[in-house]
Amino acid sequence: AQSVSQHNHHVILSEAASLELGCNYSYGGTVNLFWYVQYPGQHLQLLLKYFSGDPLVKGIKGFEAEFIKSKFSFNLRKPSVQWSDTAEYFCAVNARYNQGGKLIFGQGTELSVKP
Amino acid sequence: EAQVTQNPRYLITVTGKKLTVTCSQNMNHEYMSWYRQDPGLGLRQIYYSMNVEVTDKGDVPEGYKVSRKEKRNFPLILESPSPNQTSLYFCASSSQPGETQYFGPGTRLLVL
Repeated sequence: AQSVSQHNHHVILSEAASLELGCNYSYGGTVNLFWYVQYPGQHLQLLLKYFSGDPLVKGIKGFEAEFIKSKFSFNLRKPSVQWSDTAEYFCAVNARYNQGGKLIFGQGTELSVKP
Repeated sequence: EAQVTQNPRYLITVTGKKLTVTCSQNMNHEYMSWYRQDPGLGLRQIYYSMNVEVTDKGDVPEGYKVSRKEKRNFPLILESPSPNQTSLYFCASSSQPGETQYFGPGTRLLVL
């Protein structure tokens, strides 16, 4: 069965620290990849996505992610976090041509940024 | 403004009392989906709909029903809610399956 694994359950950083959140998926075919963010009390918002092309994608608020096909990974990065980045981050995968268009989500990573 | 709306946002009910959570999108999207979010499990798909009158089960459909009589609406029905359905529910829509899904604000349900 397809699955998505996020390595860190809870990450605590100080402002200006660099961030990298790991995401690995298990599916051998072509995939669409997403990172969503959920700020406290709010709904999920798209940070960035990868469908094809340049494996290094840039999203909103200075986030970027790199798709490494050989490692089945799609790690999220930000060079310098801010207090306002405190949120929960979800990696999600859609297996292209998957019947149902289902997004498979990782368990989520809670990021706490200390001012 | 393009958006997905859900109602109610918060709901407390008792076991066995039928309830409906509404979902509406104004983006003319064909694809709509319901997820539940539980701590440590991420989001799991309950049901989805490819278009009007076309619905199918996701990963955790037991205890839920849906309907898609109009393109913009995709209500989630709990015929006889049980405590294990206490969760945070999200509706989402996209132009096509596999495309970016846009999420509603969520409905927090407590079943006593």
